[in-house]
Amino acid sequence: QTVVTQEPSLTVSPGGTITLTCASSTGAVTSGYYPNWFQQKPGQAPRALIYDITTRHSWTPARFSGSLLGGKAALTLSGVQPEDEAEYYCLLYYGGAWVFGGGTKLTVL
Amino acid sequence: QVQLVQSGADVKKPGASVRVSCKASGYTFTSHNIHWMRQAPGQRLEWMGWMHTGNGDTQYSQKFQDRVTITRDTSASTAYMELSSLTSEDTAVYYCATQEVYGRVGDYWGQGTLVTVSS
Repeated sequence: QTVVTQEPSLTVSPGGTITLTCASSTGAVTSGYYPNWFQQKPGQAPRALIYDITTRHSWTPARFSGSLLGGKAALTLSGVQPEDEAEYYCLLYYGGAWVFGGGTKLTVL
Repeated sequence: QVQLVQSGADVKKPGASVRVSCKASGYTFTSHNIHWMRQAPGQRLEWMGWMHTGNGDTQYSQKFQDRVTITRDTSASTAYMELSSLTSEDTAVYYCATQEVYGRVGDYWGQGTLVTVSS
């Protein structure tokens, strides 16, 4: 069974920069996995942030950026704001099926 | 504007089935695929499956393959997700979400439907 792994929790100071990663049990994440990133706040539906590794949605602030880093998909937040405190999920494509990562709880402190 | 409106919360007994609906508006229904996800209380998101709303093709997660069926009624711009043989572990919020472009999932989400499985 395919497993997608994210850091369970991370903490960042306001104004800081942090990178969240998304690894696949099948090996290096490449463009063919079409990494998508989502933000979820308590009691809300997830909101799409990034797709196809690097592309931001029209509503995604420029401080969010996506990349491939060391065989993983990565989401970098630069100039973190208090409202960025949330759970972040990656989603990877496996030839017709998709798999979510376990999520990263980001605390802004 | 694009909207996905899901059916209301439901309570089911173990062994029963549940059907959740997802009514789309604000776009041509068959131009966006529909995905279904779920999230148990305090747990991570799980991808369940998706449907090509144009031709009705589906693909399901191996985890749910034997128990889930996704269908659509194009005349009603509505997608459905049915999950059978429910257990308490199926207690979760179920979401539908659109896919307009290959490789881009979840531009728009439904509000979620809480399904509680309890005897």
